[in-house]
Amino acid sequence: DAGITQSPRHKVTETGTPVTLRCHQTENHRYMYWYRQDPGHGLRLIHYSYGVKDTDKGEVSDGYSVSRSKTEDFLLTLESATSSQTSVYFCAISEDGQSSGNTIYFGEGSWLTVV
Amino acid sequence: GDSVTQMEGPVTLSEEAFLTINCTYTATGYPSLFWYVQYPGEGLQLLLKATKADDKGSNKGFEATYRKETTSFHLEKGSVQVSDSAVYFCALSVRGSTLGRLYFGRGTQLTVWP
Repeated sequence: DAGITQSPRHKVTETGTPVTLRCHQTENHRYMYWYRQDPGHGLRLIHYSYGVKDTDKGEVSDGYSVSRSKTEDFLLTLESATSSQTSVYFCAISEDGQSSGNTIYFGEGSWLTVV
Repeated sequence: GDSVTQMEGPVTLSEEAFLTINCTYTATGYPSLFWYVQYPGEGLQLLLKATKADDKGSNKGFEATYRKETTSFHLEKGSVQVSDSAVYFCALSVRGSTLGRLYFGRGTQLTVWP
């Protein structure tokens, strides 16, 4: 199993509060991703990183920001949580983002409920 | 754009039945194709992949063949087990797209009864 740890694994928060999810990897992979999983939508990319301090938006980035100050850590922040951000969040990593055949490994997910 | 369409679920089968989950794709470039599996309460695990046309990916008795002519990557297993109950996701990545990102189908829930 790829060494990916997400924290917290479960969180309930109130609307309007900031929330930060952490992804920690021990594989020294350059590329890291945050996806969200919702019924009927599969997984959708929120943000990704291709190196320390190098990040970019995915297809559902509104309301989210990310930071990567170290290779091993990729943080996802909900600036002001809304009920539409209730979801399961998955961190993923890959060694070679340039190769389309490259395997992407997923963490175990963070269940976030915004009430 | 790049996208994946997979068979709507849920799929319910008896143990030892034959499984097919259909997956078709559209891609702007030359994609690699993947099947991921998600067991209850867990993250996604790579089940198999194929990186070029006519390649067959296989793992744990599951197989899928990359068919460029029909833009398909259907998942098959000859005899399912209760332990195969999970959600299956078809996905693709395209060289030159957002750095190795995956485009996912919506997932197909499989339940196998003893």
